Amino acid sequence: AQRVTQPEKLLSVFKGAPVELKCNYSYSGSPELFWYVQYSRQRLQLLLRHISRESIKGFTADLNKGETSFHLKKPFAQEEDSAMYYCALRGSGGSNYKLTFGKGTLLTVNP
Amino acid sequence: GAVVSQHPSRVICKSGTSVKIECRSLDFQATTMFWYRQFPKQSLMLMATSNEGSKATYEQGVEKDKFLINHASLTLSTLTVTSAHPEDSSFYICSASPGQGAPTDTQYFGPGTRLTVL
Repeated sequence: AQRVTQPEKLLSVFKGAPVELKCNYSYSGSPELFWYVQYSRQRLQLLLRHISRESIKGFTADLNKGETSFHLKKPFAQEEDSAMYYCALRGSGGSNYKLTFGKGTLLTVNP
Repeated sequence: GAVVSQHPSRVICKSGTSVKIECRSLDFQATTMFWYRQFPKQSLMLMATSNEGSKATYEQGVEKDKFLINHASLTLSTLTVTSAHPEDSSFYICSASPGQGAPTDTQYFGPGTRLTVL
């Protein structure tokens, strides 16, 4: 079974502070991990995926298979980063390619 | 970029009636579309995977006779909530993948439809 855990429902930081949104997963095979973001009154959109190993809007995430984690990090948070962030996992093979989402973390960046 | 629309954005209906929600890929062809349900302050739960020209694949626990899915063309999938009841009230979101329907295609999400059943 695929499972994604985001332990923090809410996270509040000040502008310029580092931010880390935690994500842990459970999957027996080789997963593909994603971070999706939903800004206020907007649709869900892909932020980044682990296979791309890219930095988007200053955010990075590294897949740690030993710790089964895919934490999202940004060294200096901005007010416009305030949004709902969802970690998602896609399995490999057969019908496992569906996306399984965590419950989300609402990030608030205060001025 | 890839845009997915949903219609309507909000719908209120009486208990016992049926409601149809449309999901369209505006600038690409989508072999595969996905339907999710999101309860307040909870995550997105996949309901079914819709493949153009074939029957949808439903997730465990989702009633296929209750939530009818039709994927008649490469740009349109519809979700019909039949004989809706208050417990069906929720936020329904679709997503679509461009490309050839490979499992690893990126999913692009629609804005969602808020269904309220009175």
